[in-house]
Amino acid sequence: GAVVSQHPSWVICKSGTSVKIECRSLDFQATTMFWYRQFPKQSLMLMATSNEGSKATYEQGVEKDKFLINHASLTLSTLTVTSAHPEDSSFYICSASRDRGYYGYTFGSGTRLTVV
Amino acid sequence: DAKTTQPTSMDCAEGRAANLPCNHSTISGNEYVYWYRQIHSQGPQYIIHGLKNNETNEMASLIITEDRKSSTLILPHATLRDTAVYYCIVRSPTNFGNEKLTFGTGTRLTIIP
Repeated sequence: GAVVSQHPSWVICKSGTSVKIECRSLDFQATTMFWYRQFPKQSLMLMATSNEGSKATYEQGVEKDKFLINHASLTLSTLTVTSAHPEDSSFYICSASRDRGYYGYTFGSGTRLTVV
Repeated sequence: DAKTTQPTSMDCAEGRAANLPCNHSTISGNEYVYWYRQIHSQGPQYIIHGLKNNETNEMASLIITEDRKSSTLILPHATLRDTAVYYCIVRSPTNFGNEKLTFGTGTRLTIIP
């Protein structure tokens, strides 16, 4: 079956630094990647959608300069949280789809980011 | 985006069928209904999806009403490992030729021994 690997599974960083999270589709080509954020006891909130080779499209209220998304290949997307602050501490989850979201979605296991 | 409404929480006895309802009264004719579940601090796991016909797979059954305004996920023989938050989602188009999943609040299902 389709497998998505997300790395790291958890990270602690100092306030003001940047953190990169990787999302890889291991056995299929992901034309589209989705990035979500989840705060404790809340649902997943879609942050952005990226098609391979194109700029990501961000949901309303998500700062594109703070959450940099790169989807340069069909198997790898990265989310960089720039100048992280404690309020950015959250669970970040990626999801990959073969066909722009028409053919199923496979989720990564998530990355717990703690900014101190 | 079509919104979904689910009960906040439900309990079900182990071995019994768990029936999780979902309302999606604003769903459009070509929008699919998806169900995922999330066990604490893990990524969501796909369960089932459908458009207008009832669907069944090895995990669950999905019953969609004829008017498509609501659906029910059925776990036929619940086990303790089915304890999770269950999300009913309507897949919707973006402005850029994609389809996306927008999660609602979900139902926290607890299986009671």
